[in-house]
Amino acid sequence: AQTVTQSQPEMSVQEAETVTLSCTYDTSESDYYLFWYKQPPSRQMILVIRQEAYKQQNATENRFSVNFQKAAKSFSLKISDSQLGDAAMYFCAYSLLNQAGTALIFGKGTTLSVSS
Amino acid sequence: ETGVTQSPTHLIKTRGQQVTLRCSSQSGHNTVSWYQQALGQGPQFIFQYYREEENGRGNFPPRFSGLQFPNYSSELNVNALELDDSALYLCASSADRYSQETQYFGPGTRLLVL
Repeated sequence: AQTVTQSQPEMSVQEAETVTLSCTYDTSESDYYLFWYKQPPSRQMILVIRQEAYKQQNATENRFSVNFQKAAKSFSLKISDSQLGDAAMYFCAYSLLNQAGTALIFGKGTTLSVSS
Repeated sequence: ETGVTQSPTHLIKTRGQQVTLRCSSQSGHNTVSWYQQALGQGPQFIFQYYREEENGRGNFPPRFSGLQFPNYSSELNVNALELDDSALYLCASSADRYSQETQYFGPGTRLLVL
């Protein structure tokens, strides 16, 4: 069974600094997708970034980038130039490729606080 | 483009009652997935509907059931409520039923069972 582990329940960062959130996963599949979702106090889950496992190049979206290590089954999220609006719960998630009716499998989340 | 909406935002029920939660999917999306998020946990997959049929199910008992309508909106029904059903229920829509499709989440319905 696939599992996703986020070992940092809480992280904090100062404005304008950089923070890295960790995620490891376990799967026997070779093709899959990985996601980072952000859930602010408003509760609406928002996609931050996604990575296809068959792509070696790490995904980047503005201030957000990932370090995808397929062999190590590691998928960390780096937030550069942190802003107060980045404060939220961050979830790492995994999904199979081309499977209908299957779920996103989420980790337990990391609460990120940002201080000025 | 209208995003995913859910109603109601909050709900209080007593044990043994039945509840219906509603979700309107994003325009152009034909797939809806429902998740249960207990406090301090990540969301857990309940089931997915694609073109009005259940398309996949997680490890939830049959008292969790759903519907999808021709306009692709959806309902989650929970019968015989238990205290452990207290959670945030999230609906997510996507453009297709395949797992790599990006899911767009609604704001959720907070259910409290007393």
